[in-house]
Formats: sequence, C-alpha cells, structure tokens
Amino acid sequence: DGGITQSPKYLFRKEGQNVTLSCEQNLNHDAMYWYRQDPGQGLRLIYYSQIVNDFQKGDIAEGYSVSREKKESFPLTVTSAQKNPTAFYLCASKTDREDGYTFGSGTRLTVV
Amino acid sequence: DQQVKQNSPSLSVQEGRISILNCDYTNSMFDYFLWYKKYPAEGPTFLISISSIKDKNEDGRFTVFLNKSAKHLSLHIVPSQPGDSAVYFCAASVYNTDKLIFGTGTRLQVFP
Repeated sequence: DGGITQSPKYLFRKEGQNVTLSCEQNLNHDAMYWYRQDPGQGLRLIYYSQIVNDFQKGDIAEGYSVSREKKESFPLTVTSAQKNPTAFYLCASKTDREDGYTFGSGTRLTVV
Repeated sequence: DQQVKQNSPSLSVQEGRISILNCDYTNSMFDYFLWYKKYPAEGPTFLISISSIKDKNEDGRFTVFLNKSAKHLSLHIVPSQPGDSAVYFCAASVYNTDKLIFGTGTRLQVFP
C-alpha cells in the first residue's frame, strides 16, 4: 500500500528540547511538504522540498529545520527556538495531477 | 494576509439537504483550486478540484463551482450525509509552483 507515514502520532517534549518528526513516503513523489495546523488558522506551510538535497522555507519556517537526503524521507526538527511549538503537524507529498497533495495522518506535538 | 478565506467557521445541515461551503480568494495567480476533507487527528483527504479555466466540476454528490470574476468558489454536497461531518478546507495552487495555500476551514455538521 502506497502512502505517507508520519511517526510518532503523539509526541511530548519538554521546553528547551529539540524534537524530530518523521515523514516517510513510498509514492515515489518528488515534492514533499510540512504543514502546521492550529485551531482557526488552517494549514500553514513550514518547509517544502521539490527534489533531494534541496528545500525551501515556507511561511512560518522560523524555529524549524529540515533535511532531504533521500527521496522517501523528509524529517522535520522542531528546535527550542520555536516559540509556540504545540500544534498538529502534517507531512504531504505531491503528485503531478490536479488532486494536489497526499497527506500523512499527522503528529500532535505537545510541549510540557 | 490571508489569500484564501473561508469566512464561515461552521455549518450545520440536516441529512438529505444540500450543504454549501464557500471560499474566497484574493490572488489571481492561482491555476487550480481544491477541496479537502479532514477528520480530527487525521490528515486531510482530497475531495475534488477545479481548474481556473473551468466554472464547474462534478463528482458524484460533490460539485465545485468557480466564479472567477467574484474570486469565489463553492462546494455543494447533495444529499448531505452524517458521514460528511468533518472540517473542509479550500486550497489554491499557486501558478507555476508546487505550493498550495489553504483556507482556515469550515466545520460541517450533518444531523439526522
């Protein structure tokens, strides 16, 4: 079954710690994305990568970092510099058709 | 600066009736539009899309209408079913990029 796997589903982090969210896809998609969902704010783009070893900042990249060493993997690191990291994080990859993105099931990060 | 707006945060409709979800955009540089459906703690799933050169696209119970002069699109669900209860996001694809910009979502509740 092709799809996007995000892990873990729930993650708790102490303030001041970095944490890495995993995103793996076996859809052979070139482009991958990280979005953040907050109540009443829809989905906001953090980072995206259109090809291996290349990525671009989205609208809210501050306090986050990514890498794209393999086509299948696009991990997101939430650093201690992110002021309000508690949110629902969604990873997506893109086909070349007009059905847009395929999303993973998300990771809920809570800072305690 | 919200380029894609969903002004109704929630909508309640009786089963069997029509649900109409609305979306407005401010940027003319979008080449197609999409609707996604999202259940709590899950990733969004693609529902239906429409190219900016069309004014209507239909898929079963779902129809999307695009009014380019008004920069407005709407999703019609007929007949509405309880399983349609979810948050619906409107998204716009930025021309000649791989980026999607999402609205803030509308929570649809279909009651018996």
